Formats: sequence, structure tokens, C-alpha cells
Amino acid sequence: DIVMTQSPLSLPVTPGEPASISCRSSRSLLHSNGNNYLDWYLQKPGQSPQVLIHLGSSRASGVPDRFSGSGSGTDFTLKISRVEAEDVGVYYCMQALQAPLTFGGGTKVEIK
Amino acid sequence: EVQLLESGGGLVQPGGSLRLSCAASGFTFNTFLMNWVRQSPGKGLEWVSAMSGSGSSTYYSDSVKGRFTISRDNSKNTLYLQMYSLSPEDTAVYYCAKAHCGDDCTDYLDYWGPGTLVTVSS
Repeated sequence: DIVMTQSPLSLPVTPGEPASISCRSSRSLLHSNGNNYLDWYLQKPGQSPQVLIHLGSSRASGVPDRFSGSGSGTDFTLKISRVEAEDVGVYYCMQALQAPLTFGGGTKVEIK
Repeated sequence: EVQLLESGGGLVQPGGSLRLSCAASGFTFNTFLMNWVRQSPGKGLEWVSAMSGSGSSTYYSDSVKGRFTISRDNSKNTLYLQMYSLSPEDTAVYYCAKAHCGDDCTDYLDYWGPGTLVTVSS
């Protein structure tokens, strides 16, 4: 199974400031088709997860452009250019390259 | 509008069984792979199982293989998860989630239901 490792575990942020979350996989998520099968999800308090970024860097429909994903192979980053209060919750990376799908342990983003 | 609604959760004794359902609407159900993902209280997300749109392919995590069975009734737009030999470690909110790319592939999970809570306790 592909192991996903996220850091940090917790991220206190100041509204208006940038934030960054790292995700590392135990093997490359780069498919022969050129896509990185790495997604980012946000689970807001009391809600189901929602996709933010898919295939490493593509923003999902309706996701604000302050969210961006980058990286390739085994190292990926989710960046929030200017954090807003509504961005609090737990962020998960997930690999979709092969079954079983596996998630990172999560990063809890909270407002300072 | 895509909607997924899980049901069937509840309290069950260790060793017992339970069947979860996920009613889907707003998309052509039989053309998309569907997943079950669970979340233990206060913990992270764990993928459990998936089934292709046609029903011809199934996938399981090692933690549930041999105890859980995924199925679907495309005439009823419903996904199921039959769970046997339940243990307290299976206590979790169970979400059904739709794969975006099609019949037997996963690029990302684009829609999730609100989840149903399964509690395994004596």
C-alpha cells in the first residue's frame, strides 16, 4: 500500500496570511499518462470531506483561487495564498493511483 | 444536482452484522465507480471498498476483506455495504463517495454523502 505522510499535524494561521501543507507519498504518484494522482480534501467541522484539488494541481469546480496545489512524484504541497476564517478544518491528501486509496493523516488548520 | 444519502447505521454488538445503503441521484449511476470511506471518531479518513459502475469489479481494504461485501443495484441507484463479524474497531461514520472519472477508475472523489454512524459495542 502507498503510505501518505502529511505535515504539519496542526497549523495555526492568521487571517490574510499564507499557509502551506506538505504531503509525501511512499512511491511516485506520477502515472504514465503524465498525471499525478494526488488529491486534496477539506473536511470542515461537522461536514463531509470536499475535494479542493485533484490530479496534483487542478482546482475543483467552485474552489476559490486562493487554493493551489503543486508537486510531482512523491512530494506535494497545498498552498492557501490568504487564509480566510471559512478555511478552518482538517485537510487531507489522498493518492488515487492505485487501490487501496490511501489518505494522509490530516492537517488541522485553525485560526490563531 | 448530485445527491448521495447513506442509511442503515446504528448500534450493533461485536460479532454482529449490518447493511448500509447509499441512495444516489442526479447522475447516471451505472457509469461511475462508487466508494465507501469511513472515519472513526476523532480520527482520519480510511478507504474501505469500491465497486465499478457495471458491478464487475470490486476492491477492498485489507482491514475489511473477507468480512465486508460491497454491491450495487443499478436499477435502484443504490450502493450497499454488507458488514459481517463487526468489531469495535469498525466503529465509524461511513461515507459513500462517487468517483469522478467513470466506470472503473478513480481520479478523485467528487461527491460525498453526509455519512451514517456505525457503533459496535456491547
